[in-house]
Formats: sequence, structure tokens, C-alpha cells
Amino acid sequence: GAVVSQHPSRVICKSGTSVKIECRSLDFQATTMFWYRQFPKQSLMLMATSNEGSKATYEQGVEKDKFLINHASLTLSTLTVTSAHPEDSSFYICSARQDINTEAFFGQGTRLTVV
Amino acid sequence: AQSVTQLDSQVPVFEEAPVELRCNYSSSVSVYLFWYVQYPNQGLQLLLKYLSGSTLVKGINGFEAEFNKSQTSFHLRKPSVHISDTAEYFCAVRKGGSQGNLIFGKGTKLSVKP
Repeated sequence: GAVVSQHPSRVICKSGTSVKIECRSLDFQATTMFWYRQFPKQSLMLMATSNEGSKATYEQGVEKDKFLINHASLTLSTLTVTSAHPEDSSFYICSARQDINTEAFFGQGTRLTVV
Repeated sequence: AQSVTQLDSQVPVFEEAPVELRCNYSSSVSVYLFWYVQYPNQGLQLLLKYLSGSTLVKGINGFEAEFNKSQTSFHLRKPSVHISDTAEYFCAVRKGGSQGNLIFGKGTKLSVKP
């Protein structure tokens, strides 16, 4: 299958700082990328959907000013958690899809810990 | 809106025993159905998918699933599990032909014991 690389795999940051997570499709062009958040022992909750060159569409209850998503190219999307707080600590996973008729491939996830 | 129900949050089973992980989805005109596996602190890996055609779908690692439209189910099965199958399994659905995202179930923790 296609490869989606997420970086970093783990990050620890101080409260009040911002952290950027990258999601790259390595061997295909992703017109759509999805960002999920997963709490311990729970399912994946969609945060936002981004299409290349367009503004991301955020799910209800997700603060767009706090979770900045950029999908500037067909192979890269970034999620920036701004002014992070301990409650933002979570496992963040991205997925990328070439088009609506293809499956989405998932990155390996990023464990964010805010101290 | 689409929804997915995984009735069993945990399934303990002994090695080499058969296993079935249940998944039901809310009805729609057409849906795409998926099963993913997640190992600790890792992303999701696709096990198998149903898009159309044969209702019995075979995936990786010896898993298979059967799409049952009348019962709106897509249960995952394996005739003989291994210790290495211990992981979290997620069922997901996407409305057929749509640009929508995957809707995930809450997951089932499969624990294989020796």
C-alpha cells in the first residue's frame, strides 16, 4: 500500500508553546488529508478535512484558531497546535487519500504531551 | 449521518481459537466498509475493505469479513488467532461515492492468550 509518513512520532512541549506536526504522502499525491485525534482507549475522532489549496473544514467543536491546518501541496499537510495546554495532550493521526475513489492511508501517529 | 457500532469493547481469546469481531453500521444507499488494526502507539493499518462485488472479503493476516446488507453488518473473522494478533481493531464506514471521511467505531481490543 501507499505510505504516509507523520513526523514527529513523539513530542513533548511546554504549556503555552506551539507545536507543528507534519503529514506527508510519500508515493502518491493526496488531494485530501484528514486529521484525527485519539484519546486513550477510544476511537478516532475526526478534527478536520483538508483539500490541497483550500481552507480546511473543521468538525463541530474543534477550534480552528487553535488547531491550524495547512495543506499547501499535494504531498504535505501540517497541523499546528497553538498555545498548547495539558488537555491537548493526545495521539494525533493523519490520513491521506488520492481521490474519493481510493482508500485513505494512515500515518503512524504523533503522541503529543504538553507539560 | 452514518454511524458504526462495535458491540464488544474487549474480546479475550486463546491462541489458535477462532474469533469474530462484530460491526454493525447504520443503513445507507451504498457504503464502503473497512476494518483497520492498530498496534500500541501506532497508526492504523488496513486489514480489508468492502467496496462492491463479492460479499466475502479476504484481507491480510488471515482475516476475512462478510458484508451482510440485510443485517447491516460487517463482522471480522479469523479461524485461528495468534499472539501477534493482539491489538485494537476498528470498523469504519464511508458513504459510497461521497467525498466524506471515514466514520469509525469505538474499537474492539482483541487479547490473545497462550
